[in-house]
Formats: sequence, C-alpha cells, structure tokens
Amino acid sequence: DTGVSQDPRHKITKRGQNVTFRCDPISEHNRLYWYRQTLGQGPEFLTYFQNEAQLEKSRLLSDRFSAERPKGSFSTLEIQRTEQGDSAMYLCASSFLQGSGEKLFFGSGTQLSVL
Amino acid sequence: DQQVKQNSPSLSVQEGRISILNCDYTNSMFDYFLWYKKYPAEGPTFLISISSIKDKNEDGRFTVFLNKSAKHLSLHIVPSQPGDSAVYFCAALRSGSEKLVFGKGTKLTVNP
Repeated sequence: DTGVSQDPRHKITKRGQNVTFRCDPISEHNRLYWYRQTLGQGPEFLTYFQNEAQLEKSRLLSDRFSAERPKGSFSTLEIQRTEQGDSAMYLCASSFLQGSGEKLFFGSGTQLSVL
Repeated sequence: DQQVKQNSPSLSVQEGRISILNCDYTNSMFDYFLWYKKYPAEGPTFLISISSIKDKNEDGRFTVFLNKSAKHLSLHIVPSQPGDSAVYFCAALRSGSEKLVFGKGTKLTVNP
C-alpha cells in the first residue's frame, strides 16, 4: 500500500512528557500537511511543507510544537511538555498539486491521549 | 470564529432516499469548496469539490450545489446507501492558500 502512513496509531502519555509522531507521505508527493482534530470538531490546519521547507504555520502551533521534514521525505511532529489540551487526533496529509484540496491524501492519524 | 459551519451534527435517512447535507461559510474570500468523507479510525477522503465560478458539480450519486450570494453549499446523495454512513466534512480554500478550513462535520446514518 502506498498511501500516507502515520506512526504510532495511538499514543498515551503523561502530562509534561515529550512525544514525537512520524508521517510518511506518498512517495512522489512534495507537499506535506499536519492537521489536528479534537472531539466534535473538524480537522484544523497546523502547518505544511513543500519539500523540506516549512512554508506556513498556524497560530495553533505553539512554541511547544515543532515539525520537521528533513530531506523532503518523511516528517515528524514533536510536542514538548505535553498538556491535557493537546489530546487530539493528529492527521498528516500529502499532495502533489498546489492549492487543490481534493488532492490531499490523509493518513489514518495518531490519536494522542495526555493523562 | 467558525468560518465554515455545519449546523446539523447528525442526519438519518432511509436507504434509497436523498441525503442533503448543508454547509455555510462566512469568509467571502473562499473560492473553492470541498466535501470529505470520514469513516471511523480512518483519515478523511476527498468526495467532491466545486469552484466558486460554478453553481453545481455532479459526480455519480453525489452533487454539490453552491449559492455564493447566500454563502451556502449543500451535498446531495441520491440514492443513499448504507455504505454512505460516515461523517461528512465541508471544507473551504482561499486562492493562494494551502490551508483547508473544515466545518465540524455531519454524521450521516443511512438505515437499510
């Protein structure tokens, strides 16, 4: 299967711990996106990369959040000093075309629970 | 401030009937609109889209209507099938932006 892969699928952590998620996009896609979805809400944009360059960041992405995409391939999203409000589904998506949301392919997400 | 609003959290219809899901938006800068479908434990998948220069787009059983003056769009599914049961998200995009803005979603249940 060559879809968007996210690891882990589930993560339970204690408040104050650091966590890191990984996303492997579809191989020929040069754009990679991170979204967050909390219960009862739609996905909210966090950030996106074109190749290895991080081109846009949401105000939702506080200083405790950092995303990287070394060499323009896989991406990691790290949350430092987690808080209970960080509990959410973190979705990764990739695309090849610019500005056409129908070409976004989403992974199954990483469900984070902060205790 | 919700820029994309789906005011019905849930909708239940009988198999074979029409499902109509509604979406309103407030930002007049949006010029591209999409519907995504999401099954439990999966990421959203693209369903259908419409550009602001059109008022209708059809793809098989799915039709999206756009009323720019009312800032309203709707998704029609005819005939509805049990496999259509999922959460449907309306999303909007502004020209030059990569940021999709989603509504809260409507959970559709199609009863056999």
